[in-house]
Amino acid sequence: GAGVSQSPSNKVTEKGKDVELRCDPISGHTALYWYRQSLGQGLEFLIYFQGNSAPDKSGLPSDRFSAERTGGSVSTLTIQRTQQEDSAVYLCASSLGTGYNSPLHFGNGTRLTVT
Amino acid sequence: KQEVTQIPAALSVPEGENLVLNCSFTDSAIYNLQWFRQDPGKGLTSLLLIQSSQREQTSGRLNASLDKSSGRSTLYIAASQPGDSATYLCAVSRRSGSEKLVFGKGTKLTVNP
Repeated sequence: GAGVSQSPSNKVTEKGKDVELRCDPISGHTALYWYRQSLGQGLEFLIYFQGNSAPDKSGLPSDRFSAERTGGSVSTLTIQRTQQEDSAVYLCASSLGTGYNSPLHFGNGTRLTVT
Repeated sequence: KQEVTQIPAALSVPEGENLVLNCSFTDSAIYNLQWFRQDPGKGLTSLLLIQSSQREQTSGRLNASLDKSSGRSTLYIAASQPGDSATYLCAVSRRSGSEKLVFGKGTKLTVNP
């Protein structure tokens, strides 16, 4: 597709359930980022993938959060045992990658609501 | 730790006015600075990217400047239009194995017809 695609666009889940959020980056983009945007807060970095390198997981808030990127393309962010404070918009972005000084292209996000 | 601040948090102007949005960052060792626009319920759209070696970038009615030594950037919007109403975010990246961006909280701009 022409842009970064995220699914689902909205997700409502009960506290304690696991959720999976999906991101399809722009074809040819080797770098993929996950950010979280909470109401009234700025964007919070979660995790970064670059090619076949080990991901930068330094932004993951707890061990309930994990992400993988299969085949260097599609990425899945998994939140286990969701809590109410996990409610936020989860944004995925991709770029050409390290060294290209290229802008990030964002998807429209997944709005997660934990009840 | 890099911190990015945007002032003002909100701005309301009449259509046709020229305006400036401000962004400051605490660590001048940046790789690039990007300005984004976010419309309600949408993701971010990249407007301008300034590399650390550059002083400014222009796109249409938008001009972004960068003063790395003082830790400041401005986004100038000429002849504002109601369609410019959105939240504008600036972000800086430090290349240290990953080019993750540190974002400000944004300036919410309203252009009144």
